[in-house]
Amino acid sequence: NAGVTQTPKFQVLKTGQSMTLQCAQDMNHEYMSWYRQDPGMGLRLIHYSVGAGITDQGEVPNGYNVSRSTTEDFPLRLLSAAPSQTSVYFCASSQDRENTGELFFGEGSRLTVL
Amino acid sequence: KQEVTQIPAALSVPEGENLVLNCSFTDSAIYNLQWFRQDPGKGLTSLLLIQSSQREQTSGRLNASLDKSSGRSTLYIAASQPGDSATYLCAALRAQKLVFGQGTRLTINP
Repeated sequence: NAGVTQTPKFQVLKTGQSMTLQCAQDMNHEYMSWYRQDPGMGLRLIHYSVGAGITDQGEVPNGYNVSRSTTEDFPLRLLSAAPSQTSVYFCASSQDRENTGELFFGEGSRLTVL
Repeated sequence: KQEVTQIPAALSVPEGENLVLNCSFTDSAIYNLQWFRQDPGKGLTSLLLIQSSQREQTSGRLNASLDKSSGRSTLYIAASQPGDSATYLCAALRAQKLVFGQGTRLTINP
């Protein structure tokens, strides 16, 4: 009963390095999304996908890339990390492409950029 | 642009009290509203989801109401327990996107 799985849970990067945060769900959900959570800012939507091969931007997409080659996986790529990207990142999924049902979250990935 | 506000930012009450958490949103054309719970260092767990056509939803000691016309939702917790201590967030859905409030950090004192 895995639900939404995120890896890694913790990561430290140097400015300019690249990395990928992994997200996988085993519930056959069509909708997947990435949020970042920062003190005083709440959760903000980075990118989302309504199905394999379809992605779109959220509120704060700059500096991040996504792709959705399968229903199960939705990785988030940081191409050139910046200290402003220090945050806790959450992946979430919902059953239908309109995201009208319950949203299921992963446990989060804490990223520090030095 | 949808904005979601939660007041107060933090709340501390003694065990056993009934309490209300508030959520307001600026765009009333929402599809639904969800309430979530977040424990420290953890992800969010959905508590209640209210469709735009509904007025309230109940689950155990939790009751959430929705008034689209006034742009408000409330989460009522009955007979609070120390295990209810967590951050509670509301989120409004429109056009496939959920917009979150910043949450209310709730502490229930034994």
